[in-house]
Amino acid sequence: ETGVTQTPRHLVMGMTNKKSLKCEQHLGHNAMYWYKQSAKKPLELMFVYSLEERVENNSVPSRFSPECPNSSHLFLHLHTLQPEDSALYLCASSQAGYDNEQFFGPGTRLTVL
Amino acid sequence: AQSVTQLGSHVSVSEGALVLLRCNYSSSVPPYLFWYVQYPNQGLQLLLKYTSAATLVKGINGFEAEFKKSETSFHLTKPSAHMSDAAEYFCAVTSGLGGTSYGKLTFGQGTILTVHP
Repeated sequence: ETGVTQTPRHLVMGMTNKKSLKCEQHLGHNAMYWYKQSAKKPLELMFVYSLEERVENNSVPSRFSPECPNSSHLFLHLHTLQPEDSALYLCASSQAGYDNEQFFGPGTRLTVL
Repeated sequence: AQSVTQLGSHVSVSEGALVLLRCNYSSSVPPYLFWYVQYPNQGLQLLLKYTSAATLVKGINGFEAEFKKSETSFHLTKPSAHMSDAAEYFCAVTSGLGGTSYGKLTFGQGTILTVHP
């Protein structure tokens, strides 16, 4: 595997389910990001981990819970979601530093019924 | 605070024609600017970035962008469109404001480029 991978690519869940999104980067980066991409809205930064420490939580509801066990893996745990949470969730990684390119995974298309 | 405005949510050109996608930014400190492209069912891929070196930046696939501080613009151009250029394009800005050690990108709304034969 190369670059940034995300699993699953598609997920359908009910509002009472608990599921997790997984992201893995094979680039040796030390910062990882979760973004939400909804129709007709700009990409929204949700969480940032830099050097395995959460450094940004962009007013995201507590039904989204990130986890970064090491610099290569990032999870987004989901529970009791709402239909408006349906979106494409993108993971990205970069070297720490605000001018460094972020490399994106293909995303997980989430549908909440 | 920083923000990005992309003028035109849809742009349509003929194959071989000039591509011009507009981006204006707002930043209280010198910005770093990026253009990303997203093909259907894929993540974002970097086309080019401006980080205070040359104001004319060349990227992949024949794209380039010019940083104009006086106009707070970073428009993306390509002299001759190809069918494979059809995708959604995002302009993004970040800065060192606040002393962050990571990239806090602010994205524009995106522009969908359609290329007609």
